[in-house]
Amino acid sequence: DVKVTQSSRYLVKRTGEKVFLECVQDMDHENMFWYRQDPGLGLRLIYFSYDVKMKEKGDIPEGYSVSREKKERFSLILESASTNQTSMYLCASSLLSLTGRLETQYFGPGTRLLVL
Amino acid sequence: AQSVAQPEDQVNVAEGNPLTVKCTYSVSGNPYLFWYVQYPNRGLQFLLKYITGDNLVKGSYGFEAEFNKSQTSFHLKKPSALVSDSALYFCAVRDLLPAGFKTIFGAGTRLFVKA
Repeated sequence: DVKVTQSSRYLVKRTGEKVFLECVQDMDHENMFWYRQDPGLGLRLIYFSYDVKMKEKGDIPEGYSVSREKKERFSLILESASTNQTSMYLCASSLLSLTGRLETQYFGPGTRLLVL
Repeated sequence: AQSVAQPEDQVNVAEGNPLTVKCTYSVSGNPYLFWYVQYPNRGLQFLLKYITGDNLVKGSYGFEAEFNKSQTSFHLKKPSALVSDSALYFCAVRDLLPAGFKTIFGAGTRLFVKA
């Protein structure tokens, strides 16, 4: 089974702090994604990566950055946390098939971040 | 503009009754369509997907979904609901763009199954 793990289930941070959310997958997936989930808004894509050191902005990248130094690990960084970044953060990974079509995404359990 | 709509915030159904969770989409080109489920305090789990072929797709836990191109819909169904099906359900569509990386999720529909 694919396993996607996230470093923390719950985090409480103060406004202005730099926050690191870590995600690790164990299935050699090329693609990795960071979403935030907010009630009534569904999932919104923050950033994704299709290879080591490669990253692309999603729909809401402002206030976030990412790092992918190794294939299995994709980090989300909040440069200076703000209260409007209080949310559930979900990491996902997927294969990139030979046809170039994306496969099913596998999600981690999520990190619930509270910024005070 | 590409979009996914789940018109119901919540669906209530009695155990043993059939259930339907609705999803409509709007994308350019041929879409890939997915349903995911999220149980409390958990990440999303894949249920099923439509890529091509039969319009009726069977997935995990007895769920199925019907792709209707003319109505641009992909409704999730189950013939007999269980209390354990109570969860948050997300419809998602992935457009086959050259980069191929855009996935759009609906806002989610909360399903309550009453015993």
